[in-house]
Amino acid sequence: GAGVSQSPRYKVAKRGQDVALRCDPISGHVSLFWYQQALGQGPEFLTYFQNEAQLDKSGLPSDRFFAERPEGSVSTLKIQRTQQEDSAVYLCASSPTGGKQPQHFGDGTRLSIL
Amino acid sequence: KQEVTQIPAALSVPEGENLVLNCSFTDSAIYNLQWFRQDPGKGLTSLLLIQSSQREQTSGRLNASLDKSSGRSTLYIAASQPGDSATYLCAVRRSGGYQKVTFGTGTKLQVIP
Repeated sequence: GAGVSQSPRYKVAKRGQDVALRCDPISGHVSLFWYQQALGQGPEFLTYFQNEAQLDKSGLPSDRFFAERPEGSVSTLKIQRTQQEDSAVYLCASSPTGGKQPQHFGDGTRLSIL
Repeated sequence: KQEVTQIPAALSVPEGENLVLNCSFTDSAIYNLQWFRQDPGKGLTSLLLIQSSQREQTSGRLNASLDKSSGRSTLYIAASQPGDSATYLCAVRRSGGYQKVTFGTGTKLQVIP
């Protein structure tokens, strides 16, 4: 497709379950970003990939959060042993190369932990 | 640590008014600044991107300015329309090293017909 695609759009899980969120960036985009957006807040940076290399994961809130992009295209954000405070919208963005290019966002995955 | 503040948090104006949204940031060592709009339940749509060496960017009825030394950016919307109703976010990318972007909390705009 022409834009960044995220799946699922909505995910409901029980506390303690593991979840996996998928991001399909725009074809050919080198940079990929994950953000967490709480209700009424701006997105918070989680992690950044350049191709398959995870260059910055300083925003991941705990070791329960893990992201990968093994072939430099599709990325998966995994959350283990989910907790209620993990409830948020998780946004993925991609850009062609480096910092001069604007980021293109997907519609996000709304995660609700019961 | 970079902090980005947007004022006001919410704004309601009648259709046709010109308006200004404000964004301030604490660390002036930025690479660029980007303005987005976010519609309910949707991702972010890029509006304007200003490089640190630029003073302003224009797209249609939108004009964004950047004063890096004072840590401020403004988004000017001319002749507002109901379709402009959305949350507007500014995002600052730091200079050097990685691509970390810091977002403000947004301004929720409502344009009343």
